[in-house]
Amino acid sequence: DTAVSQTPKYLVTQMGNDKSIKCEQNLGHDTMYWYKQDSKKFLKIMFSYNNKELIINETVPNRFSPKSPDKAHLNLHINSLELGDSAVYFCASSPKPTGTYEQYFGPGTRLTVT
Amino acid sequence: SQQGEEDPQALSIQEGENATMNCSYKTSINNLQWYRQNSGRGLVHLILIRSNEREKHSGRLRVTLDTSKKSSSLLITASRAADTASYFCATDARSSNTGKLIFGQGTTLQVKP
Repeated sequence: DTAVSQTPKYLVTQMGNDKSIKCEQNLGHDTMYWYKQDSKKFLKIMFSYNNKELIINETVPNRFSPKSPDKAHLNLHINSLELGDSAVYFCASSPKPTGTYEQYFGPGTRLTVT
Repeated sequence: SQQGEEDPQALSIQEGENATMNCSYKTSINNLQWYRQNSGRGLVHLILIRSNEREKHSGRLRVTLDTSKKSSSLLITASRAADTASYFCATDARSSNTGKLIFGQGTTLQVKP
């Protein structure tokens, strides 16, 4: 059973479009995260939710909007896609919102904006 | 600002050799974690070391932490081709109460058979 799953795995779209990436975890964790990994492999936190409440909201364009319908799901919606949004997006989860727990990562969604 | 920086950026060794990767960070931390990322995959947690610990072992992995120098190292002994991956350190800043991890840029390790 996959612990943290993301869909789709690949996403190719044109500038200006709106797209969503979905994430689900079956670990019973309280906390979920979205990260962006650029072409140089630099991994940066974007958002974090704990029990459906937003707790981390980094400096991210407001074209990016996370939604957590329940604590097992965290989706990422991106409006008006730009070339610079091309990256790999990772969802992750942890039992609680502290750095004393490891984070479990999904397989990633490679977004290509043309 | 980015918390963790890793050195070297790339490392190529022969199977059976040891691999050492270093991580430096800027502010006081609660914990430091190491992750592995195989090509095209998500990150996998390897080991967590707390700020009051100096060394930790897990199988062929040995992690050290020197809080006075704000640095950590990951040693992989008797490397195997399957260890080929990128390795990242991640810090949990003492000033943070959200569990936010800041990742270094990673060391790409190639182990040649």
